[in-house]
Amino acid sequence: GQQVMQIPQYQHVQEGEDFTTYCNSSTTLSNIQWYKQRPGGHPVFLIQLVKSGEVKKQKRLTFQFGEAKKNSSLHITATQTTDVGTYFCAGVMYSGGGADGLTFGKGTHLIIQP
Amino acid sequence: ETGVTQSPTHLIKTRGQQVTLRCSSQSGHNTVSWYQQALGQGPQFIFQYYREEENGRGNFPPRFSGLQFPNYSSELNVNALELDDSALYLCASRRGQGHYGYTFGSGTRLTVV
Repeated sequence: GQQVMQIPQYQHVQEGEDFTTYCNSSTTLSNIQWYKQRPGGHPVFLIQLVKSGEVKKQKRLTFQFGEAKKNSSLHITATQTTDVGTYFCAGVMYSGGGADGLTFGKGTHLIIQP
Repeated sequence: ETGVTQSPTHLIKTRGQQVTLRCSSQSGHNTVSWYQQALGQGPQFIFQYYREEENGRGNFPPRFSGLQFPNYSSELNVNALELDDSALYLCASRRGQGHYGYTFGSGTRLTVV
């Protein structure tokens, strides 16, 4: 079936270091979304990428969508303790019927050591 | 603007029983999706409703069913509960069918014993 793989599963960084999580789909995506989930919380929408090769920035966060629309990455510069949480990519597959449920990766747990 | 609200927040059921979970979508959102999130995993898509019609379904058996009402609130029903159904059930809503992100509720933690 359609899968979205995400690596690494866990990432420990020192506060101030950079962090990157990678996402790869088995099929071409219509678009990809990124969510953050704090411990004990629910996913919170960060951004959506639609176009091939798209790059978007939100302050210290940089999101990229691959040229083939099968992979994506999230890079955080100079991590802060507020960045702690699990980052999920969620792919939207092309479908003929208009329904486009999200296919989530397993997430990358970001742990920051002060 | 209110967000997505789900009820109840926690629930304990016995294997074989039936359960109904409820969701009020964010104001102005007419698409509602349901997800199951096991501990330490990413959410898995159960199904989606748009204007009261189911228009997408993930890899879940028919004992998972749902409804969307005219005010765009929604229910998730699970029959013949199994131990593996224990999970966090998340409702998410968005505006329309286009390229929009979803707003998630805080979820219902279901434990089946």
